Amino acid sequence: GQQLNQSPQSMFIQEGEDVSMNCTSSSIFNTWLWYKQEPGEGPVLLIALYKAGELTSNGRLTAQFGITRKDSFLNISASIPSDVGIYFCAGHAINTGTASKLTFGTGTRLQVTL
Amino acid sequence: DSGVTQTPKHLITATGQRVTLRCSPRSGDLSVYWYQQSLDQGLQFLIQYYNGEERAKGNILERFSAQQFPDLHSELNLSSLELGDSALYFCASSFSRVTGELFFGEGSRLTVL
Repeated sequence: GQQLNQSPQSMFIQEGEDVSMNCTSSSIFNTWLWYKQEPGEGPVLLIALYKAGELTSNGRLTAQFGITRKDSFLNISASIPSDVGIYFCAGHAINTGTASKLTFGTGTRLQVTL
Repeated sequence: DSGVTQTPKHLITATGQRVTLRCSPRSGDLSVYWYQQSLDQGLQFLIQYYNGEERAKGNILERFSAQQFPDLHSELNLSSLELGDSALYFCASSFSRVTGELFFGEGSRLTVL
């Protein structure tokens, strides 16, 4: 099925470093979302972006909705060990009626070393 | 705790068998989504229900079927199981169909031997 191009695929960083990941698509989305999945659990919504150009923060996380509506990035500042997990971007497009399509990126696996 | 409940958490079965996975959405959420996640893979959308009706289909095999009941819980039925069906199956629910904000359960891990 369709998936967004997310990069990098994986990152190994030291505690305290900043992290940046991005997502690109050939399609326009109405909403961009970022989810985090920890081992053995379901994805958890971190940030949702609703307008092109929007910049939103949630603690040490900052995400932006690209002007073209075809991309988004997520930054994590001053990483800590509990940031470990897989980060997924997702683009949401509204279809007719009550149907809507949420497409997930391929994920960025983040490892944080002490 | 997302408020989405999935059962069973783990399931081991043999090829050719049939299983049913169950999902209770968050209170008030009308949409239920099913996703499949194979080892080290992303989330593959299977199917969406809204208030009891099928609304969108993704890469769902003909051997798989789902339904959403009047009390809004949903079941995903997997039949004639193959080794490649081994995966995590996630249910997610949402209230808003406008923003795509989903709340995921903890998943059902299916192992087919």
